Amino acid sequence: EIVLTQSPATLSLSPGERATLSCRASQSVGSYLAWYQQKPGQAPRLLIYDASNRATGIPARFSGSGSGTDFTLTISSLEPEDFAVYYCQQRSSWPRAFGQGTKVEIK
Amino acid sequence: EMQLVESGGGVVRPGGSLRLSCAASGFTFDDYGMNWVRQAPGKGLEWVSGINWNGGSTGYADSVKGRFTISRDNAKNSLYLQMNSLRAEDTALYRCARAFDDISGYKNYFDPWGQGTLVTVSS
Repeated sequence: EIVLTQSPATLSLSPGERATLSCRASQSVGSYLAWYQQKPGQAPRLLIYDASNRATGIPARFSGSGSGTDFTLTISSLEPEDFAVYYCQQRSSWPRAFGQGTKVEIK
Repeated sequence: EMQLVESGGGVVRPGGSLRLSCAASGFTFDDYGMNWVRQAPGKGLEWVSGINWNGGSTGYADSVKGRFTISRDNAKNSLYLQMNSLRAEDTALYRCARAFDDISGYKNYFDPWGQGTLVTVSS
């Protein structure tokens, strides 16, 4: 069973700063990794799929990279609406799919 | 516009049963795998169950296997989750989510998601 570990648990940054979120898999998932954004009271929104492809309508400030076991979500310049919880998810091995989340909060 | 609307949640005693429904619109329902994902209050996301386009393949998280049953009615554009032998730890917001693409079945990314229906298991 593949376990996804996200770090850090919380990231405190100011608007305009760069955010770098990590997701590490216990075994290789190839490029089968997605990132989601969840704001309070809302459903998750798909941001990135297959490690580096932006979903429809996602701003270019969001980018994903990595393969195998190490993945990164980068937000190049934080906008006020980007403060949220971010989850990674793998589709290579089931049933466990999601990481535990990283909260990006306003510093 | 694609839309998923869940219903059927509520308060139930431990050992009880509930049936959740998810009504889909805005896309060709029988082209896609579908899933249930839950989120306990203040916690992260947990995949619960998935079903492929025609119901021929299903999967369950270990935590619900043998107690929950997923099904779908393509004629009604609807997804269901029958939950039996409910436990306190099943308390969560349950969301249905469509498979991202129509190629890889339910073992997929999730997009879009519904807003969820709340299940509370308490005596």
